[in-house]
Amino acid sequence: LAKTTQPISMDSYEGQEVNITCSHNNIATNDYITWYQQFPSQGPRFIIQGYKTKVTNEVASLFIPADRKSSTLSLPRVSLSDTAVYYCLVNQAGTALIFGKGTTLSVSS
Amino acid sequence: ETGVTQTPRHLVMGMTNKKSLKCEQHLGHNAMYWYKQSAKKPLELMFVYSLEERVENNSVPSRFSPECPNSSHLFLHLHTLQPEDSALYLCASSHHKASGELFFGEGSRLTVL
Repeated sequence: LAKTTQPISMDSYEGQEVNITCSHNNIATNDYITWYQQFPSQGPRFIIQGYKTKVTNEVASLFIPADRKSSTLSLPRVSLSDTAVYYCLVNQAGTALIFGKGTTLSVSS
Repeated sequence: ETGVTQTPRHLVMGMTNKKSLKCEQHLGHNAMYWYKQSAKKPLELMFVYSLEERVENNSVPSRFSPECPNSSHLFLHLHTLQPEDSALYLCASSHHKASGELFFGEGSRLTVL
């Protein structure tokens, strides 16, 4: 099971771009990288998933270098409502997702 | 609205009570999960069901008993719980067990007195 390491917390201001980097040095060939967002007292919500290079959707972008040993979630122009915990997960094929401690993002005005 | 509904949203029970948490998904998914989230701790995977068959049980105490009567419903039966079992219990579903995209319910907040 690939272990992930991400910052415990980050602070930002409204309108800024936020980049959260996650390291996963022992990622396996068949593993995907998935990011979730969780607000207090709610279940996590899927944000984005990727295997390599760059993936973009209406919410975020995910950058994965060629060696896949890290990944960066990019949130453009954050707002106060983006204050949440963000989880980076490596999805080992055939097994259920294991969540780590995540990164608590605090956005201020 | 994620398509995964959990009831009750809040539950208070004594250590000698027997209660059940219910989860229902309207997404046509084949896999369902129970996670536990205690205060200031990461989510802990408890049980995984794939096509109504339990495929993972992460060393969960026997006072927690899951049941999956069909692919749309998942229950967590609770009996003789301890105060440290107080937590947010989250149900999730996915297309299949290997999918990285889980759809979570809003959770059932359990307090054991």
